[in-house]
Amino acid sequence: EVQLVESGGGLVQPGGSLRLSCAASGFTFSDYAMTWVRQAPGKGLEWVSSISESGGDTYYADSVKGRFTISRDNSKNTLYLQMNSLRVEDTAVYFCAKVIYNWNPISPHYWGPGTLVTVSS
Amino acid sequence: DIQMTQSPSSLSASVGDRVAITCQASQDISNSLNWYQQKPGKAPKLLIYDAYYLATGVPSRFSGSGSGTDFTFTISSLQPEDIATYYCQQHDNVPGTFGPGTNVDIK
Repeated sequence: EVQLVESGGGLVQPGGSLRLSCAASGFTFSDYAMTWVRQAPGKGLEWVSSISESGGDTYYADSVKGRFTISRDNSKNTLYLQMNSLRVEDTAVYFCAKVIYNWNPISPHYWGPGTLVTVSS
Repeated sequence: DIQMTQSPSSLSASVGDRVAITCQASQDISNSLNWYQQKPGKAPKLLIYDAYYLATGVPSRFSGSGSGTDFTFTISSLQPEDIATYYCQQHDNVPGTFGPGTNVDIK
């Protein structure tokens, strides 16, 4: 059974940094691209970033490009999202997801329960 | 970026009713479209991928159709447990944009 568990969320001041982690199990992590999707309170879903199975290719939404960095450690079955220069509008629940096909990095299949990031002074 | 629109934004129907949601892409995305169900406080769940393929374990009352720019998601017989928000998402081009969602409620 695929399991994804995010951690690292919390309250941070504008301009601050946070690193999210996503621990994966139940599948061969190194065979699949992974993705982050976020949802602001009461709003819809927004794709944030994706990474290829090897980590060699990364993709970002314009809203986070230059501030967020996606990475992965295949030896630890863990996905990361380093978030710098955080803004109030980055406040959201952040979900990590395994993709459907390993060749398509932006097609989420199984999702974790999410972790809440609140950016506020 | 490809823009996704959905209609209606919300609907209320009776148990057993046939319910349909449409999703339109701002450009041709072939069949690169997924449908997700999200219940309050929960993560989204994949229901339909590549426009019409049913994800594993999803009841057959859910179905999808369409290609190009126009897509339809259908619940053939609405059940109480189907109360949720439904999102379409295109995965043809980065960014993988989602539609704004459709809230489905029981009348």
